[in-house]
Amino acid sequence: EAEVAQSPRYKITEKSQAVAFWCDPISGHATLYWYRQILGQGPELLVQFQDESVVDDSQLPKDRFSAERLKGVDSTLKIQPAELGDSAMYLCASSLVVGLDTGELFFGEGSRLTVL
Amino acid sequence: GNSVTQMEGPVTLSEEAFLTINCTYTATGYPSLFWYVQYPGEGLQLLLKATKADDKGSNKGFEATYRKETTSFHLEKGSVQVSDSAVYFCALIDVNRDDKIIFGKGTRLHILP
Repeated sequence: EAEVAQSPRYKITEKSQAVAFWCDPISGHATLYWYRQILGQGPELLVQFQDESVVDDSQLPKDRFSAERLKGVDSTLKIQPAELGDSAMYLCASSLVVGLDTGELFFGEGSRLTVL
Repeated sequence: GNSVTQMEGPVTLSEEAFLTINCTYTATGYPSLFWYVQYPGEGLQLLLKATKADDKGSNKGFEATYRKETTSFHLEKGSVQVSDSAVYFCALIDVNRDDKIIFGKGTRLHILP
């Protein structure tokens, strides 16, 4: 069964360091999402791509976060410099179609970040 | 703006008990509603959905009915199993507004054998 792949599963870093997360969506899924899930909270959207274009990054802290999906397939989320408050699970999801009442997102297992 | 509110957990039940997890929403348009489930160590996965008022979504013995008059989408199961232990997220998408999927904070469910 096709899955969304994410790496690394776990990352421990010190504040002010740079971190990067990678996501490979299900083949053929044009829409890719990065969510942040703080412990005890629901996922919050950071950025949404349609193919290689950003369609929503209104909640992405652009002073330290960046995301790209250069060829419209896999994607990288970067944080530089990391801060203590960035400790969270970073979830990648993909979907075949959005905006047509589908709403089914396929999530990866997530990348858990701990900033010391 | 749109929002989802669900009951706080953890919810602890014995096996075969009846389950209800409450979810209410606020939306300016006509959202579609979803329940996602996250089993330990896994990513979120869609459990069920309903796209219009009075629709009932169902899967794996779980049900939820889209109630426009009470803006609710409560999750129910008649007889829970230990394997149902997970975190459950209520979510909505307002297709006519911004296509953004909004999640609730999640409710952790523990089922005791």
